[in-house]
Amino acid sequence: EADIYQTPRYLVIGTGKKITLECSQTMGHDKMYWYQQDPGMELHLIHYSYGVNSTEKGDLSSESTVSRIRTEHFPLTLESARPSHTSQYLCASSQAGNTEAFFGQGTRLTVV
Amino acid sequence: GDSVTQMEGPVTLSEEAFLTINCTYTATGYPSLFWYVQYPGEGLQLLLKATKADDKGSNKGFEATYRKETTSFHLEKGSVQVSDSAVYFCALSRGSGGYQKVTFGTGTKLQVIP
Repeated sequence: EADIYQTPRYLVIGTGKKITLECSQTMGHDKMYWYQQDPGMELHLIHYSYGVNSTEKGDLSSESTVSRIRTEHFPLTLESARPSHTSQYLCASSQAGNTEAFFGQGTRLTVV
Repeated sequence: GDSVTQMEGPVTLSEEAFLTINCTYTATGYPSLFWYVQYPGEGLQLLLKATKADDKGSNKGFEATYRKETTSFHLEKGSVQVSDSAVYFCALSRGSGGYQKVTFGTGTKLQVIP
């Protein structure tokens, strides 16, 4: 069973609020990812990291930011939430090479 | 660039029917191929994988064979159950050096009815 955790599972928040979605893994993986999943199920990579102090933007432009100060922790922050940010956010991690990614259970964010 | 194309859903089957979900890919080099499953309200779980041509991945009655000549990785199961109802994602992973890119298909929703 994968040891990657996301909190909270569900979040309803008002427009303009600052939020941080947490993601932690205990597998010692260097690579971590954030995906945004729309209601049509498609996954969009919004951020990734190949190690501590390494962060890159993904294929889909996002107003969120990420940080990687510790190997096990990869939080995502929205400075000012908007209804357009309503979505499911999935965090994942993987080892080096063409290996599989392990996913957290996701955070379903609703901005009202 | 890399891409993964899988059949559109939803796919609705009766229990014990045969399942095929088609997946084809475009990538340079030698990617690894994966099938992930997502149950309602959950994240993605790895279902099976294959790392080189002609490899067959299998798990929980599901199988897929890495076909380099047809660039395909079709998912099959001989007899589906109601509990198999979920969304299935085909994916490839390709990397060199420290760089790794994972590309997902758009997902295929499977509904199995009793």
